[in-house]
Amino acid sequence: DIQMTQSPSSLSASVGDRITITCRASQSIRSYLNWYQQKPGNAPKLLIYAASTLQSGVPSRFSGSGSGTDFTLTVSSLQPEDFATYFCQQSYTMPLTFGGGTKVEIK
Amino acid sequence: QVQLQESGPGLVKPSETLSLTCSVSGDSISTYYWSWIRQPPGKGLEWIGNIYYSGSTNYNPSLKSRVTISVDTSKNQFSLKMSSVTAADTAVYYCARVGGGGNNWFDPWGQGTLVTVSS
Repeated sequence: DIQMTQSPSSLSASVGDRITITCRASQSIRSYLNWYQQKPGNAPKLLIYAASTLQSGVPSRFSGSGSGTDFTLTVSSLQPEDFATYFCQQSYTMPLTFGGGTKVEIK
Repeated sequence: QVQLQESGPGLVKPSETLSLTCSVSGDSISTYYWSWIRQPPGKGLEWIGNIYYSGSTNYNPSLKSRVTISVDTSKNQFSLKMSSVTAADTAVYYCARVGGGGNNWFDPWGQGTLVTVSS
């Protein structure tokens, strides 16, 4: 199985901050990397697919980059509604696997 | 737009079979792959398996021996059965549509249903 490792596991930030979350795959997954946002009590929501394509309706302050084994999710200016947990997921091969999550909290 | 809704018992006894159904509205189930994913309380996400309307399936090897996913195109539903459950199977179970073109992302998701395994 491909292991997905996210860092950090949690971070504290303020509204307006720029944050970056990293996801590393245990082997190359080309650009088959997706990002989700999950708020407490809710299902995950797709933010970015294929490493850098913004899902329809997702604010442009979210961006993704990377290929191979190293990927990043960036929020350019954190908004109050962005405090949530973020997960990466590889879709290169089965079994499909997720990172452990990064919880973004208010500083 | 497409909406998914999970349904089924919220409490299952150890060693018994967990059964859930996902009802799809706003889209034909005969268009995409569909998936089950679970999340133990306070933990991360685990992919369980996918199904196509034809009945073709893919399962997570870690669960394959206990899991069956099936589809009912006449009802626009797909289902999950997991046998011999233990407390470790306690989780929120989500159904989701799988991205097309061989791209296995999940969007949208159902709201999720908590299944507790306890006697």
